[in-house]
Order: sequence, then C-alpha cells, then structure tokens
Amino acid sequence: DVKVTQSSRYLVKRTGEKVFLECVQDMDHENMFWYRQDPGLGLRLIYFSYDVKMKEKGDIPEGYSVSREKKERFSLILESASTNQTSMYLCASALAGGHTDTQYFGPGTRLTVL
Amino acid sequence: GENVEQHPSTLSVQEGDSAVIKCTYSDSASNYFPWYKQELGKRPQLIIDIRSNVGEKKDQRIAVTLNKTAKHFSLHITETQPEDSAVYFCAASMTGANNLFFGTGTRLTVIP
Repeated sequence: DVKVTQSSRYLVKRTGEKVFLECVQDMDHENMFWYRQDPGLGLRLIYFSYDVKMKEKGDIPEGYSVSREKKERFSLILESASTNQTSMYLCASALAGGHTDTQYFGPGTRLTVL
Repeated sequence: GENVEQHPSTLSVQEGDSAVIKCTYSDSASNYFPWYKQELGKRPQLIIDIRSNVGEKKDQRIAVTLNKTAKHFSLHITETQPEDSAVYFCAASMTGANNLFFGTGTRLTVIP
C-alpha cells in the first residue's frame, strides 16, 4: 500500500517568511509532484521531479522552488510567502513506467499566509 | 500544452439517480484519461481510467466513455449513493509526458 505523507496538515505563516513543505513517499517512486488546489481552479501543477536532483516546472512555478536530494523526499519552498499563496498544497508520487501510472496523493497541507 | 475543461462544476442528484460528468481535452495526442475522487478532507484517489484504444470501461456502478474524434470523455455513476458525494477530477496525459493535466473538478452531492 503506497504511503505519501506531508509534514503538516495545517500551517500558518506570515508574509515574507520562508516556508518549507515536505513530502515523503515509501514506494520507491521515481516521479513526485507538487500541486496547489484552489476552489474553481482544480489541481494545478507547480513542479514535478522525475529523479533525484531533477525537476521540471509545471503550470504555475512562479514564487516556488523545489528540492529533491533523496528519492523518497520532495520539498516545496516558498522563498518569501505572499498572501496569494494561501492554498491547499498536495504532493503526489508515481512510478516512472509511463504516463499511465497512477498518482498517489498525500493528505495535503493547508497553508495560510497572513 | 493540454487544456482540460470539466463540466458541470457542481451537480446535485437524488439518491438512486445517475450522475454524468463531462470533460473535453485539446491535444489529440492525449491517450490516457483517469478520474480521481476526492472526499471531503481527504486526498484524491484514482477511481477509474481509460486508454485511447478503448471506447468504454465499466467498474460496477462507475463507467467512463471516450470519444476521441470529439475529444471528450465522461464519467457515469449509476444508482448513486450518499458516499458518492465528493469532488471528481478528470485528467489527461499523453505518451512521453510525466504529468497529468487536471480538469477543474465537479462537486457531486447525492441527496438522500
């Protein structure tokens, strides 16, 4: 059973703070993803990684960076948090067998930036 | 890139009735179409998927149909139950891609 965990369920930060969101998966998946979920906008891809130290920009990478130093861990970084980054953040992982591989999601982190 | 549109954004049905959610995609190269269900406060989970070499796929009360010519696919839920209440997301992907392109979601409410 795939397990994807995220470091926090709820997080409150102040404008300008540096924020780290951590995601860990235990199934040796090559691909990992960060999405943000907003009402009416669905799931929008921020960044994904297909291997250690490899990353690709998604649809909305501005204001975010990522780090993947180990295969099981994918971090999302907000260098200087802003109020428009208040959102639900979802991490996912998948095998690298092909584009049809199921994505397994973490429980999400609801971030509020004041 | 791929653009996936999903309708309706909200849907209410009486328990026992059917529900249909429709998605269109823009890139004819897309050939994989999964559906994810997200219950309130929980993570999205895959419920069914279809590949472009198939026109329809069923799994108990859930079915997905695909029309490649028109570039649209639909989720059909029959005999709806209160536990079907959730947000449903369609998605599309293509050979060579690592990521999915998601629709904006449909909030389904099944009224007992």
